[in-house]
Amino acid sequence: QLQLQESGPGLVKPSETLSLTCTVSGGAISSSNYYWAWIRQPPGKGLEWIGYISYRGSTYYNPSLKSRVTISMDTSENQFSLKLNSVSAADTAMYYCARERGSRNYYDFWGQGTLVTVSS
Amino acid sequence: DIQMTQSPSSLSASVGDRVTITCRASQSISNYLNWYQQKPGKAPKLLISAASSLQSGVPSRFSGSGSGTDFTLTISSLQPEDYATYYCQQSHSIPYTFGLGTKLEIK
Repeated sequence: QLQLQESGPGLVKPSETLSLTCTVSGGAISSSNYYWAWIRQPPGKGLEWIGYISYRGSTYYNPSLKSRVTISMDTSENQFSLKLNSVSAADTAMYYCARERGSRNYYDFWGQGTLVTVSS
Repeated sequence: DIQMTQSPSSLSASVGDRVTITCRASQSISNYLNWYQQKPGKAPKLLISAASSLQSGVPSRFSGSGSGTDFTLTISSLQPEDYATYYCQQSHSIPYTFGLGTKLEIK
């Protein structure tokens, strides 16, 4: 059974960089037809797609965050990562990593989520 | 961006009720519409993909329909474990976008 687990600091200072890693077990992130996505949810609010990295390493980002976001992958560790720079309080959210099924682009496996708070 | 409008935003219903949640896209998305269930403190769970394809392990009381801009999620007979928030998501165009959710509460 595929499992995803987010890790990273739970508290980030304003203007600094948020860095999270998603470790995947039970399947290889290099498997074709799957993308690896980050999605966030501010407290009490809805879901926002941040972006994904494909099994080939191609990336696509939400235009609203594109200038601040980088998603990368490490196939040797079976991990993919999110970096979001110049954070503000508006970036406080639960951050989820998820597997995105290519071509139909739905999320069939999710991590449990990690809460990141931006505060000094 | 494609805007996804869900209605109602909240709904009270009793066990055994038939419940319908609607989702409207701001432009045609064919059948690139997915439904998720989220319980408090948990990650969303995929229920239905491609507007009407039930995911493995999801009870058959859940069904989805629609194409183009208008979609529905129906629960044929509400069970206690179905009380949750439901989200639609369009996967037609980047950026993929979600509806604001429908919170299903016990009546």
